[in-house]
Order: sequence, then C-alpha cells, then structure tokens
Amino acid sequence: QQQVKQSPQSLIVQKGGISIINCAYENTAFDYFPWYQQFPGKGPALLIAIRPDVSEKKEGRFTISFNKSAKQFSLHIMDSQPGDSATYFCAASNPNSGGSNYKLTFGKGTLLTVNP
Amino acid sequence: GAGVSQSPSNKVTEKGKDVELRCDPISGHTALYWYRQRLGQGLEFLIYFQGNSAPDKSGLPSDRFSAERTGESVSTLTIQRTQQEDSAVYLCASSRQGPTGYGYTFGSGTRLTVV
Repeated sequence: QQQVKQSPQSLIVQKGGISIINCAYENTAFDYFPWYQQFPGKGPALLIAIRPDVSEKKEGRFTISFNKSAKQFSLHIMDSQPGDSATYFCAASNPNSGGSNYKLTFGKGTLLTVNP
Repeated sequence: GAGVSQSPSNKVTEKGKDVELRCDPISGHTALYWYRQRLGQGLEFLIYFQGNSAPDKSGLPSDRFSAERTGESVSTLTIQRTQQEDSAVYLCASSRQGPTGYGYTFGSGTRLTVV
C-alpha cells in the first residue's frame, strides 16, 4: 500500500517558470511533511517541511502548500533555475507518536528538468 | 564527522555472494535509518536503530537482510546470498532525535549491483 502518492513522475520547465509537484497521503496520523531534493550520486537533502497547523510555508523560492481536508500538499518552485534540476521527493511521518510512525514514508519522486 | 559517510560508494558482486555495507552517522546522532532506493522508485524503509537497538526492522525484505549497530556509532547492513533484485542504492540516514522524523541527514549511498 503506497501511503504517499506523488505526481508528476517527471517535469520540464523553462528557466524562470514555476515548477509544481503534488503529493497526496492516506494516513491521517501523518503530521510532518518534508520535501527532499536529490542530485545524481548524492543522498536526498531536506529542502523544506511543513506541519499541518499552517496552510503554507515559504522559504526563498520554495513554497509548500498544504490542504489538510484533501490530504494533499504541494511544492512550488518560483523562478525555476537550471540548478534546481534534480529529483524531488515528498515524504510524511508522525514524529511525535512514538511507536513505528516516526519513519519517513516517501513518494516515488519527480525528476525536474529546468531548461536554460 | 561532518556528514553521514557510507562505504563503499559502489559495489559489484556476483549473485549468491554476501555483502556488507557500512554507515558512519553524524557524531551525536542517536537515531540511524537504512533505506533502499530502486531505480525510478521512492525510498523504501528497511530498519531503524535507536542507539544500538532496532525497535523497527519491519522493512527488511527477507531473512537474507540483517543489520547491526555498535553503540551510537557505525552500522553495518549485511545481505547474504545476494540476488539480482537486491540491486539498488542503499541509503543511510541519521538524526539527533529519535524516534522522530525531524532532521534526517542522508549519506550519499552505496550503489549495489548484483551480476
């Protein structure tokens, strides 16, 4: 059972455009939603994260939008740059529950290509 | 160290051989996680350590897979009698707090190829 569904699988955007990646989750106990960025040959690196008590979080050109009722969250990259070309993973967990829900459950990833 | 270190970075092995993958977490990080990343797939949870105990090993795919950790330091993931479907990138992550989902730092992974 895939608990976090991510789309699209791949995305091509022109420099300066907006990149949008969407994720949907099933487990209503999730309350921590990070996005990771992975460059080839490297491990994923935390980009930005949100808790469901807010509907939006912005850090520089990166924004997470969160819709708790729809169980969906998305990453928006404004003014996309060629250096943003990477694979992006959404994830979810319930870090405060104890038990086994601390672990991150990842989406399958989106390969973003930003053309110059 | 400054980051999570994994070795080897690449490993090619023959089907049926055993392999050991090593992870050196960030000093002071009590929690350590192993994930597997198959081509075109997301990250698949394998096992979690809190200190040297493993409260959750539910993601290990079969009894050919095992892992251990020395104190709050090095962890080794062992795959016995490797199969071609074991080919993947094996990622290790550590975090200061556990069990939480905060502050994962990943290593660069070990790319395992079983031929």
